[in-house]
Amino acid sequence: QVTLKESGPTLVKPTQTVTLTCSFSGFSLDPGRVGVAWIRQTPGKALEWLALIYGDGEKYYSPSLQSRLTITADTSKNHVVLTMTNVGPVDTATYYCAHRRRFGGPEDFFQHWGQGTLVTVSS
Amino acid sequence: DTLLTQSPATLSLSPGETATLSCRASQRIGSDLAWYQQNRGQAPRLLIYDASNRVTGVPARFSGSGSETDFTLTISSLEPDDFTTYYCQQRYSWPLTFGGGTTVEI
Repeated sequence: QVTLKESGPTLVKPTQTVTLTCSFSGFSLDPGRVGVAWIRQTPGKALEWLALIYGDGEKYYSPSLQSRLTITADTSKNHVVLTMTNVGPVDTATYYCAHRRRFGGPEDFFQHWGQGTLVTVSS
Repeated sequence: DTLLTQSPATLSLSPGETATLSCRASQRIGSDLAWYQQNRGQAPRLLIYDASNRVTGVPARFSGSGSETDFTLTISSLEPDDFTTYYCQQRYSWPLTFGGGTTVEI
């Protein structure tokens, strides 16, 4: 059974760096095949994909946020970490991590999600 | 980026009616599109993948169609739990993108 759970600070001040952790079970990161993505949802509802990492370290980032994001994976601990620098109020959102397995089928989309963690950016 | 435009933003219907939701892509994406349902306070739930394939366990009243730039999610005989928000998402090209959502309300 695939499960994911996000953790991190709930309140962050503007200009700070936020670090979010996705702890998962039921699968292993697989080079080029199985990965974990971060997706956020603002209070205004929109879903925005942020970054994705596969088991061999292959990474993809949203171009609009790439300069502020770093995604890393600790395969021994089954963790994926997203770091976002210089946050502002517009980064206030619920942050989700989700599982993706390439090469077809429903898991080539986001079939398994964490419950999400709300991060508020405010002074 | 592949922009996904969902319409309408809000759809007002009654239980038992049929909902027709649209997702239009700014470029051709083949069948690389999924539909999600999201209830308030919950993560999105994958309903349809590859434009027209229902995920195991999704009721048959949910169906997807379309290809390339025009896609449709049809929900026939709406039930009370169906009145919520739906999103489309493409995996054809990076960055992965989502539509802005359609809310089906009573």
